[in-house]
Amino acid sequence: GQQVMQIPQYQHVQEGEDFTTYCNSSTTLSNIQWYKQRPGGHPVFLIQLVKSGEVKKQKRLTFQFGEAKKNSSLHITATQTTDVGTYFCAADTAGGYQKVTFGTGTKLQVIP
Amino acid sequence: EPEVTQTPSHQVTQMGQEVILRCVPISNHLYFYWYRQILGQKVEFLVSFYNNEISEKSEIFDDQFSVERPDGSNFTLKIRSTKLEDSAMYFCASSEFNANLYGYTFGSGTRLTVV
Repeated sequence: GQQVMQIPQYQHVQEGEDFTTYCNSSTTLSNIQWYKQRPGGHPVFLIQLVKSGEVKKQKRLTFQFGEAKKNSSLHITATQTTDVGTYFCAADTAGGYQKVTFGTGTKLQVIP
Repeated sequence: EPEVTQTPSHQVTQMGQEVILRCVPISNHLYFYWYRQILGQKVEFLVSFYNNEISEKSEIFDDQFSVERPDGSNFTLKIRSTKLEDSAMYFCASSEFNANLYGYTFGSGTRLTVV
């Protein structure tokens, strides 16, 4: 099936540094969602992007949907130790209307 | 904040045994899902359920898997004859509308270990 790839797979940053994860699909996406999974926890829905070129912000997090709706990014400004976790993008890649496919995830470690 | 609850939190079972994983979705949600996550890997779709029937399933969801909504609140995943490779964290999720429009609420998961 279709894959939603994320890079990088792992990222270690010093507390206070910025962090970005990228999500890429070979096919056009109808929308994209972002989830955060803390170590040992479950995925938690963060946001959904629908429109081409859309940018949304949640405090220090900025989410962007590409103009071609094939890629997306999550940028965290001035990371904190509470940002530790794995960030997944998720999208409807196969036209199914009742499921999303999760990306491969980016595991973020913040060094205090 | 409404929650999706899953029981048990941990389940250890012998290979070949049947297991039933239980979930109580959020009460006004209409769409229910099972996902699994093998340790350290991505979250994989198993099945979606709407209006008392399976609406989509993945290639992972073969004949050894089944889902049921036995009453108005519970949603269960049964694995008939467990294999070692079924060891994973199983997440139940629910959504009020189509998940590809509004996102899921996940439960805390059941860690299944097949020995």
